[in-house]
Amino acid sequence: NAGVTQTPKFRVLKTGQSMTLLCAQDMNHEYMYWYRQDPGMGLRLIHYSVGEGTTAKGEVPDGYNVSRLKKQNFLLGLESAAPSQTSVYFCASNRRGVSTDTQYFGPGTRLTVL
Amino acid sequence: LAKTTQPISMDSYEGQEVNITCSHNNIATNDYITWYQQFPSQGPRFIIQGYKTKVTNEVASLFIPADRKSSTLSLPRVSLSDTAVYYCLVLSGAGSYQLTFGKGTKLSVIP
Repeated sequence: NAGVTQTPKFRVLKTGQSMTLLCAQDMNHEYMYWYRQDPGMGLRLIHYSVGEGTTAKGEVPDGYNVSRLKKQNFLLGLESAAPSQTSVYFCASNRRGVSTDTQYFGPGTRLTVL
Repeated sequence: LAKTTQPISMDSYEGQEVNITCSHNNIATNDYITWYQQFPSQGPRFIIQGYKTKVTNEVASLFIPADRKSSTLSLPRVSLSDTAVYYCLVLSGAGSYQLTFGKGTKLSVIP
């Protein structure tokens, strides 16, 4: 039982390049989330999904797109990377769609945009 | 969402008990107090959650007074491996699934 995994762990991009971050969970959770964490700050929600085929915007969605084609996977895309998107990205999932239900986080992807 | 206030940082020696207090004056009737822990270079991890009085698990204890306007996370006999950032969150049991993380409390355990 791997929990929540993220690919890749590290990535360096040049401004304007695109990339996709993959999140996978093996807990059969309905709800999945993408957060970003900037140095010395808490996490901010980018996008989330309440089930296969559905996505919604979070607190800071601009510059990102997401897809949930399979229940176990949640993809985060950057179409044209900007230095302001340099951050650590965390994926999370939980079973029920209430905040009091424990969210399980992945190990993070450290992204640097030059 | 109820706003939370907690110390930015704390230092403790190994073997001591550490208490981190969080204030949440605007907590609502349906809200729960939840703590997450984040080790360096890792994602946050749920530690404990409570509604009132005291909750204890294998990791920590959570003390909540009757007015629920504050709460205290207690870590018994900390070790170097407890060095982490601890986040206090006030979450609605009947609403949004969104977690709002503040800056948390950075606990440094000293040998």
